Amino acid sequence: AQSVTQLDSQVPVFEEAPVELRCNYSSSVSVYLFWYVQYPNQGLQLLLKYLSGSTLVKGINGFEAEFNKSQTSFHLRKPSVHISDTAEYFCAVTEGSGGYQKVTFGIGTKLQVIP
Amino acid sequence: DARVTQTPRHKVTEMGQEVTMRCQPILGHNTVFWYRQTMMQGLELLAYFRNRAPLDDSGMPKDRFSAEMPDATLATLKIQPSEPRDSAVYFCASGRSSGRGYNEQFFGPGTRLTVL
Repeated sequence: AQSVTQLDSQVPVFEEAPVELRCNYSSSVSVYLFWYVQYPNQGLQLLLKYLSGSTLVKGINGFEAEFNKSQTSFHLRKPSVHISDTAEYFCAVTEGSGGYQKVTFGIGTKLQVIP
Repeated sequence: DARVTQTPRHKVTEMGQEVTMRCQPILGHNTVFWYRQTMMQGLELLAYFRNRAPLDDSGMPKDRFSAEMPDATLATLKIQPSEPRDSAVYFCASGRSSGRGYNEQFFGPGTRLTVL
């Protein structure tokens, strides 16, 4: 069965500093991996996804993530954060290449950008 | 700008009352998901529909929860009777599934339910 672990529940970081949000997954087959962002009182929005190909994936708002199969990780990074990046970030995984694709979400990491 | 809409956005009710949450998926999408988000459990899948047929409701408490799609433009999630432990934010998401490849899910703004 697939699962996702987000190691940090909260990450405070100063504005313009770099940030890394960690995500590890568990699966017995090949996977698709995602990062979603949730702003206060809103639904989740897709930030980026890894389906295949290049292991470095670029998303919206300057975020990127690297798929590391040997370490079963998909960490999210941004070289310089803004106040507007304050939100909760969810890592997610799905198995399967077709049909029903159940997505399993991590518990979330709250990113707090400090002015 | 196509979006998933959910009503109501907020609901406060008393224990034992029936609660109905509605979702309008994006036009042309054929998959609908219902999720529940709590501080303790995070985001949990309750039900999944494709082409209006329920394919997975294994995450849903069967004794009090029910999910339906009366037509392609409306999905409903009902709780009867409601209990305080049902207090959570309920999200609907929709997507377009071709039966292969990856299918992105688009989330609605959620319904915040409080059961007193």
